[in-house]
Amino acid sequence: GESVGLHLPTLSVQEGDNSIINCAYSNSASDYFIWYKQESGKGPQFIIDIRSNMDKRQGQRVTVLLNKTVKHLSLQIAATQPGDSAVYFCAENTSGTYKYIFGTGTRLKVLA
Amino acid sequence: KAGVTQTPRYLIKTRGQQVTLSCSPISGHRSVSWYQQTPGQGLQFLFEYFSETQRNKGNFPGRFSGRQFSNSRSEMNVSTLELGDSALYLCASSLNRGDTDTQYFGPGTRLTVL
Repeated sequence: GESVGLHLPTLSVQEGDNSIINCAYSNSASDYFIWYKQESGKGPQFIIDIRSNMDKRQGQRVTVLLNKTVKHLSLQIAATQPGDSAVYFCAENTSGTYKYIFGTGTRLKVLA
Repeated sequence: KAGVTQTPRYLIKTRGQQVTLSCSPISGHRSVSWYQQTPGQGLQFLFEYFSETQRNKGNFPGRFSGRQFSNSRSEMNVSTLELGDSALYLCASSLNRGDTDTQYFGPGTRLTVL
């Protein structure tokens, strides 16, 4: 199957701090990207998306940055809260392929 | 608006059996994708359907198959189950006004093969 994902890196942050989760995507032709949050026992939940004609997009407490030169995506979460504890995945899509390729995932732990 | 629903939520089967999983997309969504999620391999794409046609398929053996009905509901089937098929099977739907619409996931079906 197609996926990157043998080991799950973990990011631990103090409650109230900002979190930055990084993702290296695989295909330079990818033109649409999504960040998902997955809590234990649940399906991935949409957080924010960005198209390749943008390099930054902001949502509520979250910002996604896209650097196409180095094929890098990041998710910034402001004022991290205990409810943000979850696994975060980036997903990339290339027009015409009708499929998403998911990154390894990063586990975010929020310390009280 | 109701989200993506998947049935059953949990399933236990033995090796050699077959299984059928069901997915009902968000109302109005016409594209349905299936993924397999395991701790070792992460989220892997199985296949995508739109208007009852499979438009793409991941690198899985032919034991994995799917279909989509005229109401956009989808099923996937796994025949001759193996222990390694134990996983969380996720369904996602999108509007598909274009092929880069946001996918929304269901809660998944947890399949355990004994």
